[in-house]
Amino acid sequence: DQQVKQNSPSLSVQEGRISILNCDYTNSMFDYFLWYKKYPAEGPTFLISISSIKDKNEDGRFTVFLNKSAKHLSLHIVPSQPGDSAVYFCAASADQAGTALIFGKGTTLSVSS
Amino acid sequence: DAGVIQSPRHEVTEMGQEVTLRCKPISGHNSLFWYRQTMMRGLELLIYFNNNVPIDDSGMPEDRFSAKMPNASFSTLKIQPSEPRDSAVYFCASSFGPSQPQHFGDGTRLSIL
Repeated sequence: DQQVKQNSPSLSVQEGRISILNCDYTNSMFDYFLWYKKYPAEGPTFLISISSIKDKNEDGRFTVFLNKSAKHLSLHIVPSQPGDSAVYFCAASADQAGTALIFGKGTTLSVSS
Repeated sequence: DAGVIQSPRHEVTEMGQEVTLRCKPISGHNSLFWYRQTMMRGLELLIYFNNNVPIDDSGMPEDRFSAKMPNASFSTLKIQPSEPRDSAVYFCASSFGPSQPQHFGDGTRLSIL
């Protein structure tokens, strides 16, 4: 039973446009959410996070939105660049309970020039 | 600034052999995680340690898998005997706490023939 779901295995976007990656979760105890980016032959790298007390967090071209009532979060990349082509993992944890992160299966983003 | 170091990067061995994967976490991190990545199941948490103590090993698939953390700077994941279905990329990650952003190594690509 997947607690963190990324229902789109892949996404293709043109350079300069917005990329929107989606993630749904089922566990209402989750209160901390993260996005990771992974290039081939490398480990995932931390990108951006958001606590459940916020509904938006922005870092440069990357913005994460959290909708707690819908148990949904999304990562927006604006503008998208070819170097953003990678696998993006959503992860969640119950920070207050000190549980480990649970990862989604990832979405492969391809940005074409 | 050294990141998480995993060795070997690649391992090819025959079915039935013992395999040992090694990990050196980032100095100062007190949580260490072992993951397995496959196409079918994505990134699965196998086990994690906090202050060198195994906290959750519910993801370890079978008794053939074992993990140790004898000190704060070293951990091993052992598979004995190995089977072809163990072929995957194995990642080690470390962090300042179980639900904090994790830093990943570049993984060990394991192929069991």
